Amino acid sequence: SAVISQKPSRDICQRGTSLTIQCQVDSQVTMMFWYRQQPGQSLTLIATANQGSEATYESGFVIDKFPISRPNLTFSTLTVSNMSPEDSSIYLCSVIRTSGNQETQYFGPGTRLLVL
Amino acid sequence: GDSVTQMEGPVTLSEEAFLTINCTYTATGYPSLFWYVQYPGEGLQLLLKATKADDKGSNKGFEATYRKETTSFHLEKGSVQVSDSAVYFCALTTYSSASKIIFGSGTRLSIRP
Repeated sequence: SAVISQKPSRDICQRGTSLTIQCQVDSQVTMMFWYRQQPGQSLTLIATANQGSEATYESGFVIDKFPISRPNLTFSTLTVSNMSPEDSSIYLCSVIRTSGNQETQYFGPGTRLLVL
Repeated sequence: GDSVTQMEGPVTLSEEAFLTINCTYTATGYPSLFWYVQYPGEGLQLLLKATKADDKGSNKGFEATYRKETTSFHLEKGSVQVSDSAVYFCALTTYSSASKIIFGSGTRLSIRP
């Protein structure tokens, strides 16, 4: 398995401000992702965090709104910029770990964000 | 495109009842299939997985069998407990999806004492 920690675990923010979420993994991983889970819904992939290059964003998500850093193979940050109440969600970091020829995806505990 | 369809919730059962949560999928290639569980106030945890046809994943009394002929991966448990109350997500990955995991919409399960 993979041990993934996220900080903060939750926050309440004012609209117009920005929040940076940190994700730390217990060992090096190649593939790292950021997901959003809006209230009562399933998970939506925001972007793939690439080490040493710009993140790859999914349709509907842009770098100006969700800048991502990936300075090394165990750490990444996601910033939610210029927040509005619609950004209230759980944000999850995820990694893929390979064992033999099998890949399994693991998720962090999530960061619960409420924007007022 | 690839997709996962799972039964809508909420599902409410009494303790010790038999549980089935249906999941079917559409995928190109040969997907790996997963069940994830999200307990109240917590993040997503991998519950079980199966990577090829006829494989059975099992964990914590839950089981799911990869049925290629019916493109299904139904989750079952013989006797549920109150502590099983959670949201369950069926998911898949395929080589063609470049390891991006595709989730179903989730099924909320509530167990009455």
